[in-house]
Amino acid sequence: QVQLVQSGAEVKKPGASVKVSCKASGYTFTSYGISWVRQAPGQGLEWMGWISAYNGNTNYAQKLQGRVTMTTDTSTSTAYMELRSLRSDDTAVYYCARKAGTAWAFDYWGQGTLVTVSS
Amino acid sequence: QSALTQPASVSGSPGQSITISCTGTSSDVGGYNYVSWYQQHPGKAPKLMIYDVSNRPSGVSNRFSGSKSGNTASLTISGLQAEDEADYYCSSYTSSSTQVFGGGTKLTVL
Repeated sequence: QVQLVQSGAEVKKPGASVKVSCKASGYTFTSYGISWVRQAPGQGLEWMGWISAYNGNTNYAQKLQGRVTMTTDTSTSTAYMELRSLRSDDTAVYYCARKAGTAWAFDYWGQGTLVTVSS
Repeated sequence: QSALTQPASVSGSPGQSITISCTGTSSDVGGYNYVSWYQQHPGKAPKLMIYDVSNRPSGVSNRFSGSKSGNTASLTISGLQAEDEADYYCSSYTSSSTQVFGGGTKLTVL
């Protein structure tokens, strides 16, 4: 069965960086893209960007350009999301999600990783 | 890219039908048949309920249906059940090759 398992919760100080991992299993990793979506406490979903696990092409949300980098390691079927220059409003649950083939939708989601930014 | 517009809350009684709207622009909802809907229970990850405007993934009840007219997409849930109480989010592909979500709608089953 398809599973996306994310790394554990993180606490970071303002200005620091965080790198969240998302290990995929149950499908051919390079056949699907991975998106990252975050959700601040009590707020809605925010799309952060997308990476093709096939060729590493990326597309990021404009508001995060320059602060976010998404990568993949095909040898371990793992996707990574690094966010730099953290601010308090980056405090959120971060989800990875598999892009559903040719459809622009996300059919499988990780369990979420809480990133807390606090001095 | 501005978020898509959804009502903050809707409610209905068991057995009734409700519809949640999702309004965007010609650069997202109106320009592509790539609208999807997600259900999220408290403390859980979102679950895909509808993709490509009106398609249901395997395992999703046929009580859930989607449609689109112009720049507004809609999710209809028929035969409301207590387990349907959750937050619902729409999402659309955009002309910038990005995705945008709606602000979310809290469904209360009375």
